[in-house]
Amino acid sequence: QKEVEQDPGPLSVPEGAIVSLNCTYSNSAFQYFMWYRQYSRKGPELLMYTYSSGNKEDGRFTAQVDKSSKYISLFIRDSQPSDSATYLCAMSVAAGNKLTFGGGTRVLVKP
Amino acid sequence: GAVVSQHPSWVICKSGTSVKIECRSLDFQATTMFWYRQFPKQSLMLMATSNEGSKATYEQGVEKDKFLINHASLTLSTLTVTSAHPEDSSFYICSARAPDYEQYFGPGTRLTVT
Repeated sequence: QKEVEQDPGPLSVPEGAIVSLNCTYSNSAFQYFMWYRQYSRKGPELLMYTYSSGNKEDGRFTAQVDKSSKYISLFIRDSQPSDSATYLCAMSVAAGNKLTFGGGTRVLVKP
Repeated sequence: GAVVSQHPSWVICKSGTSVKIECRSLDFQATTMFWYRQFPKQSLMLMATSNEGSKATYEQGVEKDKFLINHASLTLSTLTVTSAHPEDSSFYICSARAPDYEQYFGPGTRLTVT
């Protein structure tokens, strides 16, 4: 069993819809949670960074963390075709420590 | 945000040769950098943690004599793939840990071994 599980998709949504992504994890030592966006053949770009259970909002993005269920989510509101990419969740046991990534979910937002 | 560069962005080499990939933090000092490998349509797999002024820490299953890491300064880490073989063909990505502990990723280096 992988430490971090993420549905590979692809997830196809119409423009303007809400994109819902999630990851589950098994290691209760994970305390820091991140979401990255990766375009094809590019490096990952940090979208959200949280370290406590609850919600965190930044523009069109909302990250949720439920440590009791070992479950994290990312919501993208008013999705745009430019949001089409692979979204990776990542976690670490301490700030700045090595990251463990989920497998990534490919998202396609259709005009 | 902080900027991390990688050079080269794409390299083709012959089997048996060695290739060096550079990772630079352009606007901050990074005592720690990380090297990842990514196969097509797969996620990033951590290869090693590079610490300035000390030996790198390799993940289980990664051959340290094949993937040589040197963190020579606070802004530069290099990964040398020695005696490359076609199975080493992959996308290599580095990240640098900024003083605020966030990790910033480079754009990646695509290695093709023929």
